[in-house]
Amino acid sequence: DTGVSQNPRHKITKRGQNVTFRCDPISEHNRLYWYRQTLGQGPEFLTYFQNEAQLEKSRLLSDRFSAERPKGSFSTLEIQRTEQGDSAMYLCASSLTSADEQFFGPGTRLTVL
Amino acid sequence: QKEVEQNSGPLSVPEGAIASLNCTYSDRGSQSFFWYRQYSGKSPELIMSIYSNGDKEDGRFTAQLNKASQYVSLLIRDSQPSDSATYLCAVNGIQGAQKLVFGQGTRLTINP
Repeated sequence: DTGVSQNPRHKITKRGQNVTFRCDPISEHNRLYWYRQTLGQGPEFLTYFQNEAQLEKSRLLSDRFSAERPKGSFSTLEIQRTEQGDSAMYLCASSLTSADEQFFGPGTRLTVL
Repeated sequence: QKEVEQNSGPLSVPEGAIASLNCTYSDRGSQSFFWYRQYSGKSPELIMSIYSNGDKEDGRFTAQLNKASQYVSLLIRDSQPSDSATYLCAVNGIQGAQKLVFGQGTRLTINP
């Protein structure tokens, strides 16, 4: 399967713990995006990369959140000192160029207790 | 005003009928437009993209774009129970930003 993959699919953690998610984009896609989705809402943009450069971060991305794409391939999203409000589905998407279609991975569902 | 607006529904349509989903957006300069289908508990799946005014057809799906009215729609012909899902409208290029801005989605139910 050459689609976008994400790991883990589910993560349950206690408040205050750190968590890290991984996204592997479609192999030839230069652009990689992170979104967050809560129940009943559409996905909200968090950040995106072109190759290894992080080009934009949303105001939603507090200083507890950090994302990397070290070699322009896979990306990681880390949340430090998790809070209950961080509970959501974290979605990764990739595209060939900025205007192109974005394809989503299966998501990582985070539950903070 | 929200950047991308959709009626949250629920929208109920009998099997075999045409389902019509609508979306408006705030920025006339927006560049590209997408419809995603999302089943409960799953991630969004791209079903249509449209970049220029007019209609674009793909099987039972037709996307319509009217940039002057800042309006995008999705028609689903011969609706099937398997079409029951939330449909998300997404717009790229709002205020020049290179990211998707989503509406809150319309929940569609096809009744057998």
